[in-house]
Amino acid sequence: DVQLVESGGGLVQPGGSLRLSCVASGFTFSDNWMTWLRQAPGKGLERVANINQDGSEKYYVDSVKGRFTISRDNTKNSLYLQMNSLRAEDTAVYYCVRGPFTLTEFRGQGTLVTVSS
Amino acid sequence: QAVVTQEPSLTVSPGGTVTLTCASSTGSVTSGHYPYWFQQKPGQAPRTLIYDTFNRHSSTPARFSASLLGGKAALTLSGAQPEDEADYYCLVFYDGGLDWVFGGGTKLTVL
Repeated sequence: DVQLVESGGGLVQPGGSLRLSCVASGFTFSDNWMTWLRQAPGKGLERVANINQDGSEKYYVDSVKGRFTISRDNTKNSLYLQMNSLRAEDTAVYYCVRGPFTLTEFRGQGTLVTVSS
Repeated sequence: QAVVTQEPSLTVSPGGTVTLTCASSTGSVTSGHYPYWFQQKPGQAPRTLIYDTFNRHSSTPARFSASLLGGKAALTLSGAQPEDEADYYCLVFYDGGLDWVFGGGTKLTVL
């Protein structure tokens, strides 16, 4: 069964940093594009970044370019999101999902990032 | 960037039928946009209902169906149940699948 377990969220001050992790199981992680999505409290869903199978292609939503970095370690079946220069508007639940180019499902509960002083 | 638009809210009677739609600011939504539909209940992660235009996820009840209708992606619920009350989001893919744009969501009330 596909499982994606996100972690690393928490409370951080504006301008601070956090590193999110997502551990995958139940499928061949190294064969799949992966994507970080987020959902601000009471709001809709937004793509944050995606990465191809070997990490050579990375794409970001404009609002996080230059501040966030997506990466992966296929030996650990893990996806990461390094978030720097955090802003209040980055407050959200962050989800990792498979895709694009494969069935996209939310297989984790997400991790909450709160940016506040 | 494209904007994807959904009805903010809809109400359906128990046992009734309702259609939710998903429109793109760039023109017609087609199968080449591989539209998805997700259901989200309070405090839960979204759940995939439909993928690639009209394919039901293995866990999706048959009362949910999807299509392309008048240039939009559409999700039809036939025989609404109280447990179908939720937020519904569509997802449209652009730029060869690399740009994901979600609609703002439709709050469906079963009343």
